[in-house]
This record gives sequence, structure tokens and C-alpha cells, in this order.
Amino acid sequence: DAGVIQSPRHEVTEMGQEVTLRCKPISGHNSLFWYRQTMMRGLELLIYFNNNVPIDDSGMPEDRFSAKMPNASFSTLKIQPSEPRDSAVYFCASSLRGGSNQPQHFGDGTRLSIL
Amino acid sequence: DQQVKQNSPSLSVQEGRISILNCDYTNSMFDYFLWYKKYPAEGPTFLISISSIKDKNEDGRFTVFLNKSAKHLSLHIVPSQPGDSAVYFCAASPLIQGAQKLVFGQGTRLTINP
Repeated sequence: DAGVIQSPRHEVTEMGQEVTLRCKPISGHNSLFWYRQTMMRGLELLIYFNNNVPIDDSGMPEDRFSAKMPNASFSTLKIQPSEPRDSAVYFCASSLRGGSNQPQHFGDGTRLSIL
Repeated sequence: DQQVKQNSPSLSVQEGRISILNCDYTNSMFDYFLWYKKYPAEGPTFLISISSIKDKNEDGRFTVFLNKSAKHLSLHIVPSQPGDSAVYFCAASPLIQGAQKLVFGQGTRLTINP
């Protein structure tokens, strides 16, 4: 079974450039989550969607960050313009939602370096 | 402020012995707890969970204990195996949010020595 697929696995770009991270959730999952992992702050939730609708974006650090989920099988996290402090590993996760607690399944992450 | 704390950044255990990883939380609204395991260059993998109506949940070699009054949970791995060497994260969420808004601890790096 295919898990959560993230692309690219690594991204190196110069500050000021636009960065787009992509995620394909597990088929049939209707909740999707974006996380960021840094040494200072650990693993923190940025935003999550249920049935393609953003539910909570209180973790999004700034207006430079935006996330979309145009359909059930695809989501993007965009940073524009990027800054060196955005360097981190970004994880996407998905889960089933349906009244019972379902664990989130994570992709392998995108390691982002902003020079 | 860290709502979920794993105070031991690392732990070293001999193969075959018990590994005990600890986690403390401060938010009394948390009532669903999970443990994740992470290998380098991979995403976290779900291990085991527990809700606040229980004080113990067991799955094979893994057991999670919850002490609500102390706001403390622990993960026991018995017996420990070399493949258990990884970073372990504890996470918590209020059930009222469908356990979706997870707050993670900083992680504990477990090393199992042969």
C-alpha cells in the first residue's frame, strides 16, 4: 500500500524565492496535516484539512505561508518569499476521520534549506 | 511553553532489557495520547495510543501507561531489540477535537546496545 507521498525530498533555494511543497495523502484518508520540524521548536502542526477544507491554520507562522487542498488526493504548502529561518523538515500526514480516533500517517518529509 | 515534555533527550539500553520512555504534559484538556517512532530520513510512524479512560494499553512488546493525576505517561518496550533504536515522540490531543490537533514532545533518542 502506498503511504503518504511528499515531493521533493530535498529543496535548496535562495532566500526570496517561492517554494512549493507537495503532498499526496493515503487514498481514502480525508484528513491532511502539515507539520514543520526544527531543532528549536520540534515538530509543530501548521495547518490541517478535513474533506479538503482548512479547519485550523493557527500554526501557520506568517502570511508568507499558505496551504491549499484542491482535491482529496493533493495538497501544497507554499512559502513566498522564503527566508533562511524557514529552513526545516516539513512533514505531511493523513488520517481517516470518522468519529473515532485515527492515528496520523506521516510522509518521509521535505528537507528545505533556504540560503 | 511546552505542553508536552520529554525530559530525557537520549536513553541507552542493553538488548533484551526493558526500555522506559517518559512523557509529561501540562494541559488538562489533553485526553488522547500517542507514541510515534522515527528513523533518520523517514517520517514518524505510529506505535501505540491510549485515551484517558484507560491507564494501560498493550500491543506486543509495547505498553503505554497513563497516570492522569500526575499528568504522566510512559512507554515500555520489552524486550528491547536493536531495531528499536530510533527517536520516540510522545504526542497529545484533546479528544473534543477528534484527536487531530496533536502536540508533540521534543523526542527521546533510544539506542539499544547489543
